Amino acid sequence: DADVTQTPRNRITKTGKRIMLECSQTKGHDRMYWYRQDPGLGLRLIYYSFDVKDINKGEISDGYSVSRQAQAKFSLSLESAIPNQTALYFCATSDPESGTSGRGNTGELFFGEGSRLTVL
Amino acid sequence: DAKTTQPPSMDCAEGRAANLPCNHSTISGNEYVYWYRQIHSQGPQYIIHGLKNNETNEMASLIITEDRKSSTLILPHATLRDTAVYYCIAPPGWSGGSNYKLTFGKGTLLTVNP
Repeated sequence: DADVTQTPRNRITKTGKRIMLECSQTKGHDRMYWYRQDPGLGLRLIYYSFDVKDINKGEISDGYSVSRQAQAKFSLSLESAIPNQTALYFCATSDPESGTSGRGNTGELFFGEGSRLTVL
Repeated sequence: DAKTTQPPSMDCAEGRAANLPCNHSTISGNEYVYWYRQIHSQGPQYIIHGLKNNETNEMASLIITEDRKSSTLILPHATLRDTAVYYCIAPPGWSGGSNYKLTFGKGTLLTVNP
């Protein structure tokens, strides 16, 4: 089984619908992230959570919300989906203590396999 | 976070070494350099990271210049399966608060040719 699991892997929906993408991890990491990738572009950070009680906006959080239900679970919601939210979404985790020094270091990111969302 | 600059694409012959450059001239003293790769539309995969010293693991070697303004990822014997987009990032040290920037740019598309 994958360490970082995303569901659903593919979803087609209509404009205005509410969508939830779920992420669960078995790494035991406190830090979790949601990214968005558009064709030909890199990955942009939507939200991040450094522990269950800490959630922060990334660079493109407008139109999205998140919930950290437990250390292992981090969900991304689109309250009212719009076509320009069509993208590939990735969840990731990290442990800054793993092999690196300092609380401030991100550490290695472990990504899920992605959730492809199409908004018609 | 330090801005990184990579060439958009590179080619390499199978069996030869692939040398992927990355410029990070604004990197600060406590920022590590990380390399990831993404095959097709799969989740990015960690390759290697370093701070000052050169690093080597089973996948690749990382050469960081003495002034830390640039680095090179070396795949010593590239195979067709190494065809992927390679990302170089230099995440900021986090000291609390929001607006943490951990963005991946467009990376370098490495094509390994038979």
